[in-house]
Formats: sequence, structure tokens, C-alpha cells
Amino acid sequence: LAKTTQPISMDSYEGQEVNITCSHNNIATNDYITWYQQFPSQGPRFIIQGYKTKVTNEVASLFIPADRKTSTLSLPRVSLSDTAVYYCLVGDLNDYKLSFGAGTTVTVRA
Amino acid sequence: NAGVMQNPRHLVRRRGQEARLRCSPMKGHSHVYWYRQLPEEGLKFMVYLQKENIIDESGMPKERFSAEFPKEGPSILRIQQVVRGDSAAYFCASSPRQDHNSPLHFGNGTRLTVT
Repeated sequence: LAKTTQPISMDSYEGQEVNITCSHNNIATNDYITWYQQFPSQGPRFIIQGYKTKVTNEVASLFIPADRKTSTLSLPRVSLSDTAVYYCLVGDLNDYKLSFGAGTTVTVRA
Repeated sequence: NAGVMQNPRHLVRRRGQEARLRCSPMKGHSHVYWYRQLPEEGLKFMVYLQKENIIDESGMPKERFSAEFPKEGPSILRIQQVVRGDSAAYFCASSPRQDHNSPLHFGNGTRLTVT
């Protein structure tokens, strides 16, 4: 498993864009980058996944530079309901031993 | 289409008792994973099962813990002779297959409290 590093916490206000950067310096060629969101008392929920460049869906965007040593999850115009813990995971096609780190606690204030 | 169902949501056991946690995967999913989340920590992989097979249990303690996924019925995580250190949230996830195109779908967990 490629080790990941992400900020412990981030604060934001409603309507702002939140960008969370994850470092994964030893990412392997076959590794994909996946982000999950977890609300209190709930299980993690898949947000987005990518391999390189940019991926966008209805929830977020994921930016991955050419060297793939970092990735940035972008949450546009956050609301109070986006307050959650966000996890960055890196693994290859056959990697099911996902171990979530502490994640980034994002707190959105009114 | 129901998601991953876990029950009970909360379970209280006294030290020495047995805890049984159940997980029904999403319809059509034949891969089940169990994770444990200790207070203030991230989820840690415990075991990966397919129907009637344990594929990888390397994350599960060697003693007192066992898991099964029978041909019929839910997957069961069983903890015998529970101790206070077993208090945690236990999450189950499922996928239709095991590759990067199949992100895991998690249940809302069972919170085990050992008194």
C-alpha cells in the first residue's frame, strides 16, 4: 500500500471551495487514487476515483499532476452538510486491504 | 436497491460474552470486507470473504475472532470472549467484484461496546 499523508483538519465556510491535498510519494504504476467521505455514525461513502489528470463527477473533482505524487480533492461551494471526514486511499487493481488513515476532518461553518 | 445492511447498529456486551455482527451485502455483490474503526482512528482492514470462502484474514486477530460468508444468508463476524479493547465500530463493505472499477459500498456499521 502506498502511504498517504493528508491534513488532519480544514475549516471552511458555506459557499467556498475546499481543496484537500493528499501526498503519496511512493505511488506505484498500477495504483489508483480513491477518495471516501464519512459522516459521523455512518460508513464511508465513495466520492471519486482517478488515475491521472482530472476527473469530475457531480460531487467533486480530482486533480492528479503528471508525477502522481499528490492528488487534490476539490469540493465546490460546500454546504454545512459537507462537514465530514475525507479519506484518501491509494492502491492497485488487486489491492483490497484498504486501510484508512485518520483522514481530513472538514468543518463547514455558516 | 438496498445498500449494505448491518445489524445490530449498537451492541453492548459484557467482558467474556460473545458478539455476533451481521452484514448483508448489496444485491449482486459477492465480495464482502470487514473493517474495524477504533475511537479517533481510521478504518483498518480485517478480513475479505467471498461466498463460502475466506480469501484473506490477515487483518484479523488470530484468537477470538472469526468470520464467515455462507452460501445463504449474511456474513457474520464473530468475536468470542470479548474484552474492553474490542469496543469499536465494525464496518462491512461489499463489491460486485474486486477491482478498481468497483468501489466499496459500506454499511453504517455496528458499534460494539464492551462493559
